[in-house]
Amino acid sequence: KQEVTQIPAALSVPEGENLVLNCSFTDSAIYNLQWFRQDPGKGLTSLLLIQSSQREQTSGRLNASLDKSSGRSTLYIAASQPGDSATYLCAAPIQGGSEKLVFGKGTKLTVNP
Amino acid sequence: GAGVSQSPRYKVAKRGQDVALRCDPISGHVSLFWYQQALGQGPEFLTYFQNEAQLDKSGLPSDRFFAERPEGSVSTLKIQRTQQEDSAVYLCASTRLAELTGELFFGEGSRLTVL
Repeated sequence: KQEVTQIPAALSVPEGENLVLNCSFTDSAIYNLQWFRQDPGKGLTSLLLIQSSQREQTSGRLNASLDKSSGRSTLYIAASQPGDSATYLCAAPIQGGSEKLVFGKGTKLTVNP
Repeated sequence: GAGVSQSPRYKVAKRGQDVALRCDPISGHVSLFWYQQALGQGPEFLTYFQNEAQLDKSGLPSDRFFAERPEGSVSTLKIQRTQQEDSAVYLCASTRLAELTGELFFGEGSRLTVL
């Protein structure tokens, strides 16, 4: 059964710092992995979708990597800003390319001005 | 529409009442998903539609939960005889493709509070 774990649960950093959020998953036979952002009281916004054939995906100051062999993905945020404060969630298919996603509990990021 | 639209955004129900939550996906999106998110937790899968067909309802917590998408566009999640443990945010998501190889778009959710 797919399990997704995110570490740390919460992170507080000063503005401008580079940071890494970690996600691990137990079933590595997945076709893709997604990172989402959730602001308080809001829905989820897709940040990056990494296909299994890719090792990395980049969007602006965000870079996500996927290492299926180790069951890990990381989200790197460069030059963090207060507007980056949110909860970041990763999600993996329950198996293969299943439409059913299993989410981690998220990392709550606070970027202090 | 421009995004996934959910209504109502907030719903307070007395225990035992029935509630209906609506999701209007992005126009043309084939697949539609319902997730339940408890406070401080990640979303948990409830059910999945491809057009009007409900292909997976394994995540529905009990037979009090029912979802439909009769014309392959708007979907309704119905909860009968609500209980306090049903209090959560119910998220709807859609994707253009029949298989999840594409980006998943979420609505802002319907927050249900059962008193």
